[in-house]
Amino acid sequence: NAGVTQTPKFQVLKTGQSMTLQCAQDMNHEYMSWYRQDPGMGLRLIHYSVGAGITDQGEVPNGYNVSRSTTEDFPLRLLSAAPSQTSVYFCASSYSRTGGGGYTFGSGTRLTVV
Amino acid sequence: QQPVQSPQAVILREGEDAVINCSSSKALYSVHWYRQKHGEAPVFLMILLKGGEQKGHEKISASFNEKKQQSSLYLTASQLSYSGTYFCGTQLNSGGYQKVTFGTGTKLQVIP
Repeated sequence: NAGVTQTPKFQVLKTGQSMTLQCAQDMNHEYMSWYRQDPGMGLRLIHYSVGAGITDQGEVPNGYNVSRSTTEDFPLRLLSAAPSQTSVYFCASSYSRTGGGGYTFGSGTRLTVV
Repeated sequence: QQPVQSPQAVILREGEDAVINCSSSKALYSVHWYRQKHGEAPVFLMILLKGGEQKGHEKISASFNEKKQQSSLYLTASQLSYSGTYFCGTQLNSGGYQKVTFGTGTKLQVIP
């Protein structure tokens, strides 16, 4: 099993550009989330999904969109990139509503907006 | 609301013990613990559900005091491989999907 796969691993964007960060999992997990990690701030929840077709906002959703058309895929779209979105982005998945078994994280996407 | 972790950083010599604390101002359903090595993804260590249970594997264990909304991670006889940043993640005692909110992390460095 590949687990949670994120692409790309690195990306440089110019201010105002848009892009999609890809996330795919092959564990048939219902629950998927996107986090961003910034120095000294831990992991902050951007958006999450409880199943195909169902998404909701986390703590820091502004500037990001998500959709979940299949159980496997949960892409994160940056609408108009800003320097404040420079961060490391992690996708995570879980099989349990209550988090039992923990979250499996992807290897991350390091995004720089110039 | 983000849980508070302490200490922010700690340096240990091999073989020494450490305790990392995680506290919340809200009633918790569960507490997760993760370890992240530099440049890598966080890796799940364990989850503790309300009920005050203690879990762990040999030299890494944790407890959860639901009355105080606190959890502690215990690392005994530390090894060089324990180095990394430890995060607690909390889930509130509410219905529906229970989002995990992470603390800002505790950086642990084990030196020879």
